[in-house]
Amino acid sequence: QKEVEQDPGPLSVPEGAIVSLNCTYSNSAFQYFMWYRQYSRKGPELLMYTYSSGNKEDGRFTAQVDKSSKYISLFIRDSQPSDSATYLCAMSFVGGTSYGKLTFGQGTILTVHP
Amino acid sequence: EAGVTQFPSHSVIEKGQTVTLRCDPISGHDNLYWYRRVMGKEIKFLLHFVKESKQDESGMPNNRFLAERTGGTYSTLKVQPAELEDSGVYFCASSQVRTTEAFFGQGTRLTVV
Repeated sequence: QKEVEQDPGPLSVPEGAIVSLNCTYSNSAFQYFMWYRQYSRKGPELLMYTYSSGNKEDGRFTAQVDKSSKYISLFIRDSQPSDSATYLCAMSFVGGTSYGKLTFGQGTILTVHP
Repeated sequence: EAGVTQFPSHSVIEKGQTVTLRCDPISGHDNLYWYRRVMGKEIKFLLHFVKESKQDESGMPNNRFLAERTGGTYSTLKVQPAELEDSGVYFCASSQVRTTEAFFGQGTRLTVV
C-alpha cells in the first residue's frame, strides 16, 4: 500500500468550475501537508502548505487537512485555463533525520477548458 | 533571485554508460534534496544533504548511484553504470534550515537506451 494515495485523473472541468483535489495517507506521523503545481516539462512549484489540521486560504485556493481521517484537499474556485497542470500533494515529518523529506502522491492531471 | 538550476535538462545514454547530473540550489539554502520520478509512478525521495553532509540517503536505489555536494554548494548525482530502469526525471530541491518549503528545479530527464 502506498503511503499517499492520489487519484491521477485526468480531471477535465469547464472554466469557472470549482475543482476539488484530494489525497489520503496512511502514516499518522505526517505533520506538514503541501500542494505543488507542475506544468508540463517544469519542476513542481509550491502552491500552499499547512501544518497539522485546519484550513488555509490563498486567493482562489483553499487547502484543508483532516488528520483524524488522514485526508487532505485542495479546492480551486473560479478555475481558469491557466490552472491546467498536474497537482501533487506532498507530506513530511517534523524533526529527526527525515525533516523536510517529502512523500508525494502520484499527482492529478487537471485540464480547465474555456 | 535565481531558482534551483539543473543540468542537463535532458540526457540520453546507452546502458552501461555513466551520467552525471548537476544541481545548483538557491543561494543560502543548506538543505538539498534529490528526487526521482519514473514513468507512471510518484516522485520519490532519493537523498538529503545538509550543507556538504548526507543527512538521509535511504531512498538511493543501489550503489550505482553516488551523490556529492562539494563545499555545501552545488551537488552532483552520478549513475554508473546506468541501467534501463534508471530512466526517469530527476529533480533537485533546496530549502532553508528548519523549513519544509522546498523549491524544485526543472528536472533532468534521463533516458537510458
